[in-house]
Amino acid sequence: AQTVTQSQPEMSVQEAETVTLSCTYDTSENNYYLFWYKQPPSRQMILVIRQEAYKQQNATENRFSVNFQKAAKSFSLKISDSQLGDTAMYFCAFGSIQGAQKLVFGQGTRLTINP
Amino acid sequence: DVKVTQSSRYLVKRTGEKVFLECVQDMDHENMFWYRQDPGLGLRLIYFSYDVKMKEKGDIPEGYSVSREKKERFSLILESASTNQTSMYLCASKSGQGLFDTEAFFGQGTRLTVV
Repeated sequence: AQTVTQSQPEMSVQEAETVTLSCTYDTSENNYYLFWYKQPPSRQMILVIRQEAYKQQNATENRFSVNFQKAAKSFSLKISDSQLGDTAMYFCAFGSIQGAQKLVFGQGTRLTINP
Repeated sequence: DVKVTQSSRYLVKRTGEKVFLECVQDMDHENMFWYRQDPGLGLRLIYFSYDVKMKEKGDIPEGYSVSREKKERFSLILESASTNQTSMYLCASKSGQGLFDTEAFFGQGTRLTVV
């Protein structure tokens, strides 16, 4: 069974700083997807970024980038030039592509950006 | 735009009641999921469905059942609600087309309180 672990329950940084959220996962599959989702106070889950396991190149979306280490089963999210609107819960997720396409989430990291 | 709609945003039920949480998606997605979200525990998968009338247990199925009679609708049923089922419930859907996965789209969540 797949598991996803986020070891940082809460983080807090000043506006404009860079912050990195950690995520590790466990799977026996070779091909899969990894995701970072954001949940602001409105509760609506929003996809931030995704990474295909077969791609060695790290995904980037504007200020958001990942450090994907497949052998170490690590998938961290880096937010550059953080903004007040980045304040939210962040969830790391594993997406299986074999058989029934299960989607498993981590415990979440509450990120606060301070002015 | 993909839309995932949950029938209620807030719900209060009494212990022992049978509770139905409804989720409808409008993008002809094969896969649908029910999660519960609790502080410090993240999103835990209750059940998921990869086709009409097909379902699989997630990590915490006890006390819940599901129904998927039509492709667009996935219902979560609490057969006899208990106070430990007080939680936020999130529904999600995603396409299962092709070899590789796509992002999941979420409803706005139902905050269920069992008294």
